[in-house]
Amino acid sequence: SQQGEEDPQALSIQEGENATMNCSYKTSINNLQWYRQNSGRGLVHLILIRSNEREKHSGRLRVTLDTSKKSSSLLITASRAADTASYFCATPPFSGGYNKLIFGAGTRLAVHP
Amino acid sequence: GAGVSQSPSNKVTEKGKDVELRCDPISGHTALYWYRQSLGQGLEFLIYFQGNSAPDKSGLPSDRFSAERTGGSVSTLTIQRTQQEDSAVYLCASSLAGQEDEQFFGPGTRLTVL
Repeated sequence: SQQGEEDPQALSIQEGENATMNCSYKTSINNLQWYRQNSGRGLVHLILIRSNEREKHSGRLRVTLDTSKKSSSLLITASRAADTASYFCATPPFSGGYNKLIFGAGTRLAVHP
Repeated sequence: GAGVSQSPSNKVTEKGKDVELRCDPISGHTALYWYRQSLGQGLEFLIYFQGNSAPDKSGLPSDRFSAERTGGSVSTLTIQRTQQEDSAVYLCASSLAGQEDEQFFGPGTRLTVL
């Protein structure tokens, strides 16, 4: 079953604009991760935020986490055409163990030149 | 190679045939995962291997699915008597023991069952 639900399902913007994607989850978490997937193939790990963190930056990426609302957001600033991809949030089981990730259905981002 | 590799990249098969999908994890990564992604969906966990421990098979959808990991490295996912609903991209990932928060994914195998 899905843990994360991304919103919106699809997002279309112009180059240079900012893109914001949201993820809501159902159960308690130890951490939340964001991945990017190009052309429906391999995923690339973007950023991990732990449950005791509220905000994290990596280059043009900014991730926030609100554990009280069970939600996270991914902000891509000054978007580029190369950012066109699907973005997924994922969480490992809170009970620990194997960290098999539970993914949402993703947000499809299209950045137009 | 530096990353996770998978083969074949694409596989088309007829309903009822068996298929084998291969994953070569990053050297030194003791944890290996298989996921399935249906069209337009997120990833669905299938199975997890960690070192010599018994694998976590809790995500396998039916007994037609099985996986092995030989010598703690290469893994093979086998689907017997394939069905059309098995059509999906099958992704493999690996990670270091104790750093399972970050999984490194391969490019996937796109399976089409006619």
